[in-house]
Amino acid sequence: QSVLTQPPSVSAAPGQKVTISCSGSSSNIGNNYVSWYQQLPGTAPKLLIYDNNKRPSGIPDRFSGSKSGTSATLGITGLQTGDEADYYCGTWDSSVSAWVFGGGTKLTVL
Amino acid sequence: QITLKESGPTLVKPTQTLTLTCTFSGFSLSTRGVGVGWVRQPPGEALEWLALIYWDDDKRYSPSLKSRLTITKDTSKTQVVLTMTNMDPVDTATYYCAHIGSSASNRRWFDPWGQGALVTVSS
Repeated sequence: QSVLTQPPSVSAAPGQKVTISCSGSSSNIGNNYVSWYQQLPGTAPKLLIYDNNKRPSGIPDRFSGSKSGTSATLGITGLQTGDEADYYCGTWDSSVSAWVFGGGTKLTVL
Repeated sequence: QITLKESGPTLVKPTQTLTLTCTFSGFSLSTRGVGVGWVRQPPGEALEWLALIYWDDDKRYSPSLKSRLTITKDTSKTQVVLTMTNMDPVDTATYYCAHIGSSASNRRWFDPWGQGALVTVSS
């Protein structure tokens, strides 16, 4: 059971938009910054979003992040088949002094 | 360019101790704010954070695994070593190390990640 809650799966058609939620508490998302990771099949995770809503260089602006209270959201617009992957949110949890990840969300582009 | 690579045994027996080495380049663990973390992923399952170490030798461990984990750094060799005692088949996973980026003490993230090392625990 992950500390951060994500939907197990989401799906949408090519070209459409999808959002992935990440729900936590005041000890983690509520008082710390969130990052998001993309894991393509058979590869290592890759940073997509940091500091809640910033994109590293090389990440297209189709990917966006936001945070409100104890929840964070990853948005992906203009879906491509190459976006099919598992997506994870992560942040620091101050109450247990530990990094926590969500359980991951599998994105299917139909 | 920052790169990291994990190395260690691919197969360990139950009750044995696992030692994994993360060899990195492109940054120094002597630089203020810099850190390296370890994350594992059992086959078909989610990411699980294990431990991290910062430039000032501050170390943090997963509460559920703290008694079994030790993380150390060798700044001169640009390596971070993770040991996990009393290995069990449920510890079978791909183990990743990652550079910790930060813009402030509560603004940190893992980037980039190593390619990962699959460790199987079996007799």
